[in-house]
Amino acid sequence: EVQLVESGGGLVQPGRSLKLSCAASGFTFSNYGMAWVRQAPTKGLEWVATISYDGSSTYYRDSVKGRFTISRDNAKSTLYLQMDSLRSEDTATYYCARHGQPFDYWGQGVMVTVSS
Amino acid sequence: DIVMTQTPSSQAVSAGEKVTMSCKSSQSLLYSENKKNYLAWYQQKPGQSPKLLISWASTRESGVPDRFIGSGSGTDFTLTISSVQAEDLAVYYCEQYYDTPFTFGSGTKLEIK
Repeated sequence: EVQLVESGGGLVQPGRSLKLSCAASGFTFSNYGMAWVRQAPTKGLEWVATISYDGSSTYYRDSVKGRFTISRDNAKSTLYLQMDSLRSEDTATYYCARHGQPFDYWGQGVMVTVSS
Repeated sequence: DIVMTQTPSSQAVSAGEKVTMSCKSSQSLLYSENKKNYLAWYQQKPGQSPKLLISWASTRESGVPDRFIGSGSGTDFTLTISSVQAEDLAVYYCEQYYDTPFTFGSGTKLEIK
C-alpha cells in the first residue's frame, strides 16, 4: 500500500524558513517523480514543485521560484521542501504527491501558517 | 499558463440521479504524438486529501466505481456520475498535466439533497 506521510509544518513568521518532509513507503520511491501541491484555507489546489525520479530535474511555479527548494533522498525514501522567505500567501495545507503523471497518490497534508 | 475553467461551481442532486460537470482548458490538452489528453479528475471529500479518479481524460483508476465516467478531448471535458451515491459528496477538480505550471480548475462542489 502506497503511503505518504508529511511532517514539519507549523506556525512561522513572515520572512522565516521552514522545511517539510514526506516519508514514502509501499512503492519503489526512486522510480517516481514527486511533487508538492498546496491548498490555502477554503481554496482550491495549487501545484508548487516537482522533482524527477533521480533528482536531476526540478520544476517550480513562478511564485515560489528562488524561495522554495524541492529535493529528495532516495536512500531514505523521503521528499523535502525547503521554504525560505515565507509570505502570508504561502499559508496552506501542503500535500506530498507521487507524480506518476498525473498526481496518483497523495499524503494527508501538513498545515503551514505564515503569520506574525 | 493553461487556465482550467470548471462549471458549475456547485450542484445539488438527489441520490440516484445523474450528474455532469464541465472542465474547459484555455488550450488543447491533446498531445498529437500519442493522441492522449493530459487531463485528470480528482475527488476531495470533506477533511480528506484529494484522490485521483480519472487520468488521460477517460481512464478510471483501479478501484474507482464505474459510475464515474470521464469524457472529452482537446479543450472540453466532462465528468459524469451516472447514479450519485451519498458518499460522492465532495469537491471535484480537473487538472491539466500537459505543461508546467500544472494547473487545476476551481472545483465543482457536489451536494446531496
